[in-house]
Amino acid sequence: DSGVTQTPKHLITATGQRVTLRCSPRSGDLSVYWYQQSLDQGLQFLIQYYNGEERAKGNILERFSAQQFPDLHSELNLSSLELGDSALYFCASSDAGLAGVGELFFGEGSRLTVL
Amino acid sequence: DAKTTQPNSMESNEEEPVHLPCNHSTISGTDYIHWYRQLPSQGPEYVIHGLTSNVNNRMASLAIAEDRKSSTLILHRATLRDAAVYYCNHVTSGTYKYIFGTGTRLKVLA
Repeated sequence: DSGVTQTPKHLITATGQRVTLRCSPRSGDLSVYWYQQSLDQGLQFLIQYYNGEERAKGNILERFSAQQFPDLHSELNLSSLELGDSALYFCASSDAGLAGVGELFFGEGSRLTVL
Repeated sequence: DAKTTQPNSMESNEEEPVHLPCNHSTISGTDYIHWYRQLPSQGPEYVIHGLTSNVNNRMASLAIAEDRKSSTLILHRATLRDAAVYYCNHVTSGTYKYIFGTGTRLKVLA
């Protein structure tokens, strides 16, 4: 158990819909990262937050947005869903400070299926 | 963005050592080298990291080239449970973009 909790574990929805994925980081971790992993693909970095502020952005689509709340949990919002958005979405947290990146602890992922 | 190059797949016999290579030619002097692995149907898990010196922990050893442009993850005795995709990466200083490459799929043969 990494200490990172992601909900829901599985989600099935239709094209055009909007979903929200939630991540609770390990206690005390200020950094949260979101990744997308499509079938048999690598991990695509989406976005990173540190203590509520966006710190780095990867190839995140404009239809996707995220935020980190004062209690440090994070949500990834996916809208106008397309079939190609079907993937595993991982959240990771880290206790590294502003100086750099420490060990990432990953959740078990949220599997999104868009029909 | 940081870029790493790894072989797509490797095979090893059970209880034999495995050397997983990684090239990271864009690394800068202050970037740590990290290795993670992803077991089937699980999220990635941390394996080891280092800066310049070789590192050992209970899971593996990390050998870093003198010029830091490459590294090798060493599993001293592969077990069937080590079958996974192994990723090496580094964070480009100042960007905080923790980017994973395509990884090496390790198959362990009984």
